[in-house]
Amino acid sequence: GIQVEQSPPDLILQEGANSTLRCNFSDSVNNLQWFHQNPWGQLINLFYIPSGTKQNGRLSATTVATERYSLLYISSSQTTDSGVYFCAVERGGNKLVFGAGTILRVKS
Amino acid sequence: GAVVSQHPSWVICKSGTSVKIECRSLDFQATTMFWYRQFPKQSLMLMATSNEGSKATYEQGVEKDKFLINHASLTLSTLTVTSAHPEDSSFYICSAQGTSGSYEQYFGPGTRLTVT
Repeated sequence: GIQVEQSPPDLILQEGANSTLRCNFSDSVNNLQWFHQNPWGQLINLFYIPSGTKQNGRLSATTVATERYSLLYISSSQTTDSGVYFCAVERGGNKLVFGAGTILRVKS
Repeated sequence: GAVVSQHPSWVICKSGTSVKIECRSLDFQATTMFWYRQFPKQSLMLMATSNEGSKATYEQGVEKDKFLINHASLTLSTLTVTSAHPEDSSFYICSAQGTSGSYEQYFGPGTRLTVT
């Protein structure tokens, strides 16, 4: 099956810093989504981005489908950005395969 | 838009009893709903896929007789954990995919199950 690798596994930032999270996947995909899981467990949809670039406020994402990777950029980080960031991809059958996640801690 | 709810948000039950978890799409119709399981400090693992009006398909290693899934309408899917054991304690999350043709999935807030 398709493999999804996220890096880095852990990241500690000072408030106001920028960061880049990476997601590599092993095959072509129909769907790629980035999520933020908050401390209560809720997954918040950040981006649906099987290809191209999107921006939403301080967050942006780029997926280069031909090279099988996606990047999530967080600018001017805030303490509320803390949590786990997941990348998930779908290759067929509508089934999402999740990466292991990046644990982000933003310190004030 | 695209809100998915789950009920209950947490439940404690005794070993041997059954627990039902509901997943509802509140403002859209969901052709397909999915059930995931997440252990502490781990990622989400897909358990099963359900389509309205048909039998669920289970991932390898998931016992279909233990985790009963019913997708009775385009807005409701239920997961029943039968004869629960302490090892079934976990965080269960559902997601829903709309009928618009997009592959995007929307997730519920999760249900934390503790079996004593």
